[in-house]
Amino acid sequence: ETGVTQTPRHLVMGMTNKKSLKCEQHLGHNAMYWYKQSAKKPLELMFVYNFKEQTENNSVPSRFSPECPNSSHLFLHLHTLQPEDSALYLCASSQAGTHGNTIYFGEGSWLTVV
Amino acid sequence: GEDVEQSLFLSVREGDSSVINCTYTDSSSTYLYWYKQEPGAGLQLLTYIFSNMDMKQDQRLTVLLNKKDKHLSLRIADTQTGDSAIYFCAGILSGNTGKLIFGQGTTLQVKP
Repeated sequence: ETGVTQTPRHLVMGMTNKKSLKCEQHLGHNAMYWYKQSAKKPLELMFVYNFKEQTENNSVPSRFSPECPNSSHLFLHLHTLQPEDSALYLCASSQAGTHGNTIYFGEGSWLTVV
Repeated sequence: GEDVEQSLFLSVREGDSSVINCTYTDSSSTYLYWYKQEPGAGLQLLTYIFSNMDMKQDQRLTVLLNKKDKHLSLRIADTQTGDSAIYFCAGILSGNTGKLIFGQGTTLQVKP
């Protein structure tokens, strides 16, 4: 248990569906992140939120839409995805500005687009 | 930008020591991390080292940092079958953006 909880753990969706991934952190952190892990590729940072404000969008296609209503919750809204978007999506959090800014990850949401 | 490179696979026998290596390009990386990912799970933070340190030891784990060569290693003493996983090194650039740059991950296979 890392203090970062992601739901659902597994999701299968069609290319025309709309779904959302949810992340909640119980660590009192002020920064949250979405990372994507695809087979045979390094982990890719997608979005960064600091104090609920998006501070980084790493050239992510608009079919991925993040939402951060407060410092504890982060969503990733998915719409008209492609099969190549199938991957493990990892949420993470940290206390930005502190020693090391150590980032803690959730267990991930396995997404399959059919 | 920062690049982080790791060898992809390492196989050891149970009880042996494992050494997983990582090289990075950005000398301004202030912190370097090791994460472990077991099958079907997320990333678990194992340890980290600040760039002004050469070595950090935590029970069976020893991290060595050679800043001159931009080389980071993770040594696991008395490797157990439960240590079988993918190990990622990651660097964080100066500042507190939280932008971790990951290597490709090293798959550690521990044979009984």
